[in-house]
Amino acid sequence: DAKTTQPTSMDCAEGRAANLPCNHSTISGNEYVYWYRQIHSQGPQYIIHGLKNNETNEMASLIITEDRKSSTLILPHATLRDTAVYYCIVRVVTGSARQLTFGSGTQLTVLP
Amino acid sequence: DVKVTQSSRYLVKRTGEKVFLECVQDMDHENMFWYRQDPGLGLRLIYFSYDVKMKEKGDIPEGYSVSREKKERFSLILESASTNQTSMYLCASTPRASSYNEQFFGPGTRLTVL
Repeated sequence: DAKTTQPTSMDCAEGRAANLPCNHSTISGNEYVYWYRQIHSQGPQYIIHGLKNNETNEMASLIITEDRKSSTLILPHATLRDTAVYYCIVRVVTGSARQLTFGSGTQLTVLP
Repeated sequence: DVKVTQSSRYLVKRTGEKVFLECVQDMDHENMFWYRQDPGLGLRLIYFSYDVKMKEKGDIPEGYSVSREKKERFSLILESASTNQTSMYLCASTPRASSYNEQFFGPGTRLTVL
C-alpha cells in the first residue's frame, strides 16, 4: 500500500469549511483513497473513499487531483463535534479480508 | 446502523493474568479484526477472522490468541498479560461482500496491565 503524508495538526473555525490535505505521490492505479476519523476515546469511523473522481456523501467531500498524487477531504461546515484525528489511507481493494494500516493522521481542532 | 460492541471500555489486570476481550457485531459480517492502538504507532493488526472457526495472524500476534465460535463474536485472549500489552484494543468488522473494505469499529477497550 502506498505511503501517505498528512500535516500533524490543523485548526478550523466552527461553521467554516475544513480542508484536510493528504499526499500520496506513490499511489498506484488500482489503489483507492480512504478517509477515516477517530474522535477521542472512540473507535475509528469511516468517512469516504474514492479512486479518481471526486466524491461526496452526507459527511464530507473528497477531492482527488488529476494525477492522483494528492487529495483533500472537505468538511463543508465544521462543528465542534468534528474535532478528531483524521486518517488518510491508500490501499488496493480486494475481495478478501484486509486490514487497514493507519498512520499518524491529522489532529483537527474546531474552534468556537 | 452496524453496531460493533466491546465487552468493556476500561479494564485493569495484573501481570500474568489471563484476559478475555469480547467483540460482538450485529450485522452478520463475515470478517472481524482485532487491532491495538498505541501513541505514535497507529493501529496494528493482531488477528483477523474471515469466517467462523477461521483465523489469520496479523502483524503482531505474539502473546495473543483468538476465538471465533460464532459468526457474531470474536474474542481476543491474552494468555498471560504483560505490561507491554497495556494499550487500546479495537475490534472491527466488515462484510465479505464489501468490495471497498469499509470497516466498522467498536468503541475500544483501554487495557492497563499492572
